[in-house]
Amino acid sequence: GQQLNQSPQSMFIQEGEDVSMNCTSSSIFNTWLWYKQDPGEGPVLLIALYKAGELTSNGRLTAQFGITRKDSFLNISASIPSDVGIYFCAGPPIRDDKIIFGKGTRLHILP
Amino acid sequence: SAVISQKPSRDICQRGTSLTIQCQVDSQVTMMFWYRQQPGQSLTLIATANQGSEATYESGFVIDKFPISRPNLTFSTLTVSNMSPEDSSIYLCSVGKRGTDTQYFGPGTRLTVL
Repeated sequence: GQQLNQSPQSMFIQEGEDVSMNCTSSSIFNTWLWYKQDPGEGPVLLIALYKAGELTSNGRLTAQFGITRKDSFLNISASIPSDVGIYFCAGPPIRDDKIIFGKGTRLHILP
Repeated sequence: SAVISQKPSRDICQRGTSLTIQCQVDSQVTMMFWYRQQPGQSLTLIATANQGSEATYESGFVIDKFPISRPNLTFSTLTVSNMSPEDSSIYLCSVGKRGTDTQYFGPGTRLTVL
């Protein structure tokens, strides 16, 4: 089936560092979604992207819809402890009728 | 975005029993979905809950194991039947306008089967 390749799988960073993660696929997407999941909670939508090349920010978060429509990235600037969690990319592959999810990037902040 | 609640938030169940999970939304929504998230894994769509008709199941999920009801536009239930330890997961409901549109998730139900 369709797959989203999300990397890195996990990251260990110092507070204050910038973070970058990405998602790629062999399929074309019409929408890219980025979610964050805290332990014991459901995923929360961070950013939705609807157009190739689109660059959207939400506070310290910035995400881009790749020009090829096969990838997207999420950046977090000046990380803080509450950024810890799992970040999922998601989207509907073209000609599909449902959303698929990447395997997630686990962000850890070192004390 | 809609406010979504799920009950129970967690449960520990015995093998062979069934558990019904409820999902309530504070406004009418077109589409409701049920996902499973196995420990340390990503989200897998179980089915789309259709109002007034049978749910649409994804490959690998069947109605006998995961019966779903959706009596109106704000409420749905998922039953996990004849449970085994392999059913231990987080079960999440989500809502959206279409299957390919942005989805918003409930807080999840953490199920442990002994």
